[in-house]
Amino acid sequence: AQSVTQLGSHVSVSEGALVLLRCNYSSSVPPYLFWYVQYPNQGLQLLLKYTSAATLVKGINGFEAEFKKSETSFHLTKPSAHMSDAAEYFCAVSDQGGTYKYIFGTGTRLKVLA
Amino acid sequence: DAGVIQSPRHEVTEMGQEVTLRCKPISGHNSLFWYRQTMMRGLELLIYFNNNVPIDDSGMPEDRFSAKMPNASFSTLKIQPSEPRDSAVYFCASTLKVGETQYFGPGTRLLVL
Repeated sequence: AQSVTQLGSHVSVSEGALVLLRCNYSSSVPPYLFWYVQYPNQGLQLLLKYTSAATLVKGINGFEAEFKKSETSFHLTKPSAHMSDAAEYFCAVSDQGGTYKYIFGTGTRLKVLA
Repeated sequence: DAGVIQSPRHEVTEMGQEVTLRCKPISGHNSLFWYRQTMMRGLELLIYFNNNVPIDDSGMPEDRFSAKMPNASFSTLKIQPSEPRDSAVYFCASTLKVGETQYFGPGTRLLVL
């Protein structure tokens, strides 16, 4: 069965500091992996996705994530946090060998300190 | 292009009333998903359709919930009768091909008193 674990339900960083949001997955087949961002009172917006091409994936707003099969990880990073990055971030895995449903992590709320 | 459209954006109702949530997927998308988001349980997949056919409804909480997709451009999620524990944000999402990127609507915030 597929699963996603996001370590840290809340992460705080200073403006300008590195952002690192952790995601580990479990999948019996090569997965598709996604990061979504949710701003207050809004729907989820795709940040980036991994679909078995390049292992380093670049997304919108300066975010990127690296797929590491040996570590079953897909951590999200941004070199320099901006106040506008404050939001909730969700990692998701899609089962490409079965039902194709998304399994979402529990989310990480990012707070950016001035 | 218009994204996924949901209506209403907010709904306040009393326990026991019927609630109908509506979704219009992105034109040309073949799969549609209904999710529920709460603080306690996070994002839960309720049901998904492929080519208007329900494929997996294992996430539907109980018989009070039902969903339909009469055509490729419209879906409804109905709760009858509603209960306070149904209070949540309900999202609809669509995708061109199942397994690919899902595009989410803005959600319907439901409060059952």
